[in-house]
Amino acid sequence: GAGVSQSPSNKVTEKGKDVELRCDPISGHTALYWYRQSLGQGLEFLIYFQGNSAPDKSGLPSDRFSAERTGGSVSTLTIQRTQQEDSAVYLCASSLAGDRVIDTQYFGPGTRLTVL
Amino acid sequence: TQLLEQSPQFLSIQEGENLTVYCNSSSVFSSLQWYRQEPGEGPVLLVTVVTGGEVKKLKRLTFQFGDARKDSSLHITAAQTGDTGLYLCAGGRPGNTPLVFGKGTRLSVIA
Repeated sequence: GAGVSQSPSNKVTEKGKDVELRCDPISGHTALYWYRQSLGQGLEFLIYFQGNSAPDKSGLPSDRFSAERTGGSVSTLTIQRTQQEDSAVYLCASSLAGDRVIDTQYFGPGTRLTVL
Repeated sequence: TQLLEQSPQFLSIQEGENLTVYCNSSSVFSSLQWYRQEPGEGPVLLVTVVTGGEVKKLKRLTFQFGDARKDSSLHITAAQTGDTGLYLCAGGRPGNTPLVFGKGTRLSVIA
C-alpha cells in the first residue's frame, strides 16, 4: 500500500523567500506530524494534527513557520522569509490514531531544504 | 538540555560482531520507541516498550526498557551489513505530548 509521501524531495531556495512543503499521509490516518531533522541532531517536533482538534503548534520555532491540514488529509508546511538556519530535512509522519505515547508513526522520506 | 542521550554517537564494527547502544535519561517515560533510519528515508519503527524491565526480541535485535523507565538499550547479535543505519530512540510522556527523540547512534557494519 501507499506510504506517506512528501514533495518536493529537495528544495533549494534563497534567503528571504517563502517555501511550501507538502505531505500526503496514509489514507485513513487521523494524526499527522511534522518534524525537522538538522545535521547531527535528533528529530525536532514542529506541529501535530489530530482529527478535528486544534493542532499542537508548541514545536514551531518562530512565527515564520505555519502549517495547515486540509480536509483531514494533505498537509502543507509553510516557512516564510527563510533563513539559513532553516536548512534541514523536514519529515512528515502519520498514525492511525492520535496516541503519541504508543502509536506507530509512519514517516515519509522527507524534504531536504537548503537555504542559500 | 537533551532529554534523551544516546551513546555511542558513532559505531563502526565488523560483520558478525555484537553491539549494544544505549538511550539514557534522568526523566521517566511512559514508552520508549526505537527507530532505524537509512539515508534519504524517514525513520522506521522497530519496537515500542512500555513496561519497566520489559525485554523484546526482533530476530537478532534485543530491546530492553530499564526498570525505572528512564533508559533503554538495543543489543544486536552477529551484526550484518544490512543493520547499517541511524538508530534513534524516542520517549513518550503522559498527556499525549510530543515524542522526545535522541540524536541517534550512527552504526556502520563493515563486511
